[in-house]
Amino acid sequence: DAKTTQPTSMDCAEGRAANLPCNHSTISGNEYVYWYRQIHSQGPQYIIHGLKNNETNEMASLIITEDRKSSTLILPHATLRDTAVYYCIVRVRGTDSWGKLQFGAGTQVVVTP
Amino acid sequence: EAGVAQSPRYKIIEKRQSVAFWCNPISGHATLYWYQQILGQGPKLLIQFQNNGVVDDSQLPKDRFSAERLKGVDSTLKIQPAKLEDSAVYLCASSVGQLRAFFGQGTRLTVV
Repeated sequence: DAKTTQPTSMDCAEGRAANLPCNHSTISGNEYVYWYRQIHSQGPQYIIHGLKNNETNEMASLIITEDRKSSTLILPHATLRDTAVYYCIVRVRGTDSWGKLQFGAGTQVVVTP
Repeated sequence: EAGVAQSPRYKIIEKRQSVAFWCNPISGHATLYWYQQILGQGPKLLIQFQNNGVVDDSQLPKDRFSAERLKGVDSTLKIQPAKLEDSAVYLCASSVGQLRAFFGQGTRLTVV
């Protein structure tokens, strides 16, 4: 599976958009980009995933560059409850099964009042 | 819908003792994962099941860790004998194919 690179930490003001970058320059054609987050003392929580098109759901938007070498997770209006570690994961799709769901170190996001 | 259930929530054991964790995934979820999360690090995949079969166990320390998934539903993860460095939160998760994985609350293991 392709490796991902994320900043160690970032701060965001409450009510502003939080833009979380992720680099996955070795991604291959059958690998999807997933984002999860982990609030303190809880298990990880799924946010969103995509292959090459931009995606949006009730939690966030995922912007994937045309060459698929990087992506950005956007939290449109950050709240204090969005303070968490955010993980960008690349996951391979095989012919009839899915590859490992492997977490890296993630980005610690702190939303401040 | 009911979430992923794990027990116990906390466990303290002495080194060289044995311990077992139990996981009941969401009904109908064919894929089950066990992760180890050491304080300050991201979760590390130990083993991934697809129904009864093992998809990946490349990071499972097989000399002391074992896992099984009976009848493709519940799963147990065992450590025998435990070492100090096994102190961590053990997370279980389940999913349907490529869809979102749901995680349990985890079991916090302390080895003294």
